[in-house]
Formats: sequence, structure tokens, C-alpha cells
Amino acid sequence: EAGVAQSPRYKIIEKRQSVAFWCNPISGHATLYWYQQILGQGPKLLIQFQNNGVVDDSQLPKDRFSAERLKGVDSTLKIQPAKLEDSAVYLCASLDYLAGNTIYFGEGSWLTVV
Amino acid sequence: RKEVEQDPGPFNVPEGATVAFNCTYSNSASQSFFWYRQDCRKEPKLLMSVYSSGNEDGRFTAQLNRASQYISLLIRDSKLSDSATYLCVVNPRGGKLIFGQGTELSVKP
Repeated sequence: EAGVAQSPRYKIIEKRQSVAFWCNPISGHATLYWYQQILGQGPKLLIQFQNNGVVDDSQLPKDRFSAERLKGVDSTLKIQPAKLEDSAVYLCASLDYLAGNTIYFGEGSWLTVV
Repeated sequence: RKEVEQDPGPFNVPEGATVAFNCTYSNSASQSFFWYRQDCRKEPKLLMSVYSSGNEDGRFTAQLNRASQYISLLIRDSKLSDSATYLCVVNPRGGKLIFGQGTELSVKP
């Protein structure tokens, strides 16, 4: 079974530029998450989708971050304009209800804002 | 108060030692609990779920105390390969998963 796919793996941009990350969850997983993990901290939930609907985006900085999952499968997270403090790894994950609510992470997209 | 709070690390232990991590959570209605392991510059991976009755998987034992709202992870006979960051994860409701800040473990020869 293919895992959660993310791209790009690494991105370096200047502050005020924009960036987009893509995620394709495990086939059949209706719930998809985007987490932000800053070095030395635990992952912080940015947004949770159930199919193509948003379940929770309370911690998404909506003035600069946006995310969509239009067809309920793959998802895109965008940052515009980026700030230095956005440097982090952006982890996409999907949830398997049949496996006791186990979530599976992609390898992450590492963002450095300079 | 943070929703999920873990012991601050790092823990530096010799091979063969027993080490325990604790985690507290603020939402008493939380439904499910997990420990994840994260290796340096890698994604988190499920180590084990935590059940009300406690559960064991080889050298790893997880305990849940709902009354005191804490979760623990015990590692016996530590191996070098156990060196990683251990993340406590709580599901307060509806598939939302909240991570603690992680506790780093370093096992030395």
C-alpha cells in the first residue's frame, strides 16, 4: 500500500514570497491533516479535512495560509506571503479509522524562509 | 495550560536502563491516546496505542490514568536504537489529534 505522498521535500524561499505544498493521502482515507512542526517542538495542527470539507482550521493563520482539498483526495497548502517564522516542516497525514484511529504521516516538506 | 504536556527532556540513559516518560492532558473528555516515535529529521510513526487497562508491546509498556489525566510510557532494557523523540498524542474528539512537544531520549553505550 502506498504511503502519504508529499512534495516538494525541500524548499528555500525569501520572506514575502509564496510557496505551495502538495499532499496525496493513502487511498481511501477520508480524513487529511496538515501539521506544522518547528524544530524542537511537537507537530501543531493547522487544518483537518473530512473528504473535501474543513473540520478544524482554528490554528491556521488565515491571513497568510490557505489549504484546499477540492475533490476530497489530494490537498494543497499555500503560504503567501511567507515570514521567517514559517520555517518548519509541513507534515501531511491521513487517518485510518479501521486501524483504531491511527494516523500516517508523509515524509514532510521542509521549508526554509530566508 | 497546554492541551498536552510532556516531561521536558532530554533523557540521557545508558544501554539497559529503564526509562519512563509522562504526559498530561487537559481535556477530560479525550477519547483515545497514543505514543508516537520520531527519529531525527523523519516523520512521526505510531509506537503504540494506549488503552485504559494498560498495554505492553515487548519492552514497551503504556499506561493511562483517566482520573489524573496522564499517560505514561515505560521502556525497559533500553537499546541504542531507542534513541529518538517520543510524542504523546491525544484525541480530544472527532479525529482531531493533539501532539505534545515531545521528549527526547538518548541511549548511550
